[in-house]
Amino acid sequence: KQEVTQIPAALSVPEGENLVLNCSFTDSAIYNLQWFRQDPGKGLTSLLLIQSSQREQTSGRLNASLDKSSGRSTLYIAASQPGDSATYLCAFSNDYKLSFGAGTTVTVRA
Amino acid sequence: ETGVTQTPRHLVMGMTNKKSLKCEQHLGHNAMYWYKQSAKKPLELMFVYNFKEQTENNSVPSRFSPECPNSSHLFLHLHTLQPEDSALYLCASSQGDRGLNTIYFGEGSWLTVV
Repeated sequence: KQEVTQIPAALSVPEGENLVLNCSFTDSAIYNLQWFRQDPGKGLTSLLLIQSSQREQTSGRLNASLDKSSGRSTLYIAASQPGDSATYLCAFSNDYKLSFGAGTTVTVRA
Repeated sequence: ETGVTQTPRHLVMGMTNKKSLKCEQHLGHNAMYWYKQSAKKPLELMFVYNFKEQTENNSVPSRFSPECPNSSHLFLHLHTLQPEDSALYLCASSQGDRGLNTIYFGEGSWLTVV
């Protein structure tokens, strides 16, 4: 069974600082990984999708990397803003099953 | 607006009630999912449907009964639930084979069992 771990569970940074969110997994037989954002009381919004054959994906201030050999993925958010405050979840896909981490709750202080 | 609509957004029900959650996707996807999100726990996959056929039941108690009449609609029928079933229930959809593509979530239905 895929185990997904996100550390830290919570993170608070001043506005403008770069964010680094970590995700680790135990089973390298993955199809892809996805990073999601969840605002309080809301559903999940997909941020980035990396196929297993890729090493990274970028969208605006967001960059996600994937290292299957070490079982790690990292989400970088450059020049953080208060609007980036949310919970960020990573998930690994194997067949139709997405295995989620518990998330990292980010607070960006103005 | 993600193209996945869930109703109701909030539901309070007694342990002897029968209610249903509804999900509709306007994205033309072939796969639909139910997930449960409890406080302080990772999302738990409950059911997967692909082209209306159930392909995954993740050991979910029978008091939860899914129904997928077509590829655009998914229901979760609820019967004699327990207080520990109180959670956010998320519906999602995706297109393509074997989970290779982005998955889109609805806003969720908050369920409180009293």
